[in-house]
Amino acid sequence: RKEVEQDPGPFNVPEGATVAFNCTYSNSASQSFFWYRQDCRKEPKLLMSVYSSGNEDGRFTAQLNRASQYISLLIRDSKLSDSATYLCVVNNPYSSASKIIFGSGTRLSIRP
Amino acid sequence: NAGVMQNPRHLVRRRGQEARLRCSPMKGHSHVYWYRQLPEEGLKFMVYLQKENIIDESGMPKERFSAEFPKEGPSILRIQQVVRGDSAAYFCASSPFDNEQFFGPGTRLTVL
Repeated sequence: RKEVEQDPGPFNVPEGATVAFNCTYSNSASQSFFWYRQDCRKEPKLLMSVYSSGNEDGRFTAQLNRASQYISLLIRDSKLSDSATYLCVVNNPYSSASKIIFGSGTRLSIRP
Repeated sequence: NAGVMQNPRHLVRRRGQEARLRCSPMKGHSHVYWYRQLPEEGLKFMVYLQKENIIDESGMPKERFSAEFPKEGPSILRIQQVVRGDSAAYFCASSPFDNEQFFGPGTRLTVL
């Protein structure tokens, strides 16, 4: 089982729709969680951290479910500019190697 | 505070030549990570370094690839005797505490 798993998509939704995708992680000791966004041929950029109580930033809401070991990202009122690949990132502080694991990403395409 | 800097942004090499990719982390960041991304694929972890130390090189091919992060100067990813399969985008990221990472713009290597 991969340490971090994401549905690769693509998710193809109309502008204005609400879309959500999940990311599961295998190590229950993981403590920090992030969503990154990567545009085509660009570097990944931090979108938001994911806190235990859930957090919201404008149209974006991130949630953490420790019991089921997944995090989610919800995008409301989607815009054309939201089209990108969304990367789930999990930090396991007890790993002897690099503690940060990236998922393979979920591709999102917003159509007019 | 300048972000993570990588140079060159584009590098063209012929098969058998050497490629040197440079990464200057953000000021105050002592953790550096290198990733490779093939077209239409996700980020693949290569190596994690702190100043003068390789912490985890489990993602780096055993032959032809090496990385360093000297006490002074940028981190260097070196690829000897490049082959066509080395053509990819190479991203560097830095972090202050092996936590959330900030990415550079990447170096796109093309091997002819």
